[in-house]
Amino acid sequence: SQQGEEDPQALSIQEGENATMNCSYKTSINNLQWYRQNSGRGLVHLILIRSNEREKHSGRLRVTLDTSKKSSSLLITASRAADTASYFCATARTGANNLFFGTGTRLTVIP
Amino acid sequence: EPEVTQTPSHQVTQMGQEVILRCVPISNHLYFYWYRQILGQKVEFLVSFYNNEISEKSEIFDDQFSVERPDGSNFTLKIRSTKLEDSAMYFCASSDWQGNNQPQHFGDGTRLSIL
Repeated sequence: SQQGEEDPQALSIQEGENATMNCSYKTSINNLQWYRQNSGRGLVHLILIRSNEREKHSGRLRVTLDTSKKSSSLLITASRAADTASYFCATARTGANNLFFGTGTRLTVIP
Repeated sequence: EPEVTQTPSHQVTQMGQEVILRCVPISNHLYFYWYRQILGQKVEFLVSFYNNEISEKSEIFDDQFSVERPDGSNFTLKIRSTKLEDSAMYFCASSDWQGNNQPQHFGDGTRLSIL
């Protein structure tokens, strides 16, 4: 199975703090993507990092990728109450487009 | 910003009945996908579709499932004879012509409830 596993499963922080979520996967990948899902809604793409990249930034998001450890992390800085959601990592294996999703981290940001 | 739209938002169907879930992908996208998420579980890949044919499918996508692009805008998922375990959120997604290394854009999903 290629699915990623995120940890922690749940994270509760105060507004303004940083949140870090981790993802591990099992097979070779072409890229790794992070998505956000608000309750009852679809998945919103946040950031994509290719297998030959080690770090990527987008606004308050910072993603790292360590292919030797088959792991990635998502850092959300200066969190806001609106960041409350579930966050999923998803991997695309080499030569394929379909995504394998992890179990997700449920982030709660307390105002 | 263009988005993927799915209808209906909620479908309630008797076990054994056929159901068709509809999706309108983003207009210039060429890769289409269906995923499902059983309540409280992971999002699972079902099928991908490119150039009017299935490019990949998972073990979940058995003979009860089929996909179609009946015209230039719609992309449908049909379940021929629904089972209780088909109850889930079904998400459609699309990505642009480069496919690989491109983000997938998801709709808000159809909640399918089998009674």
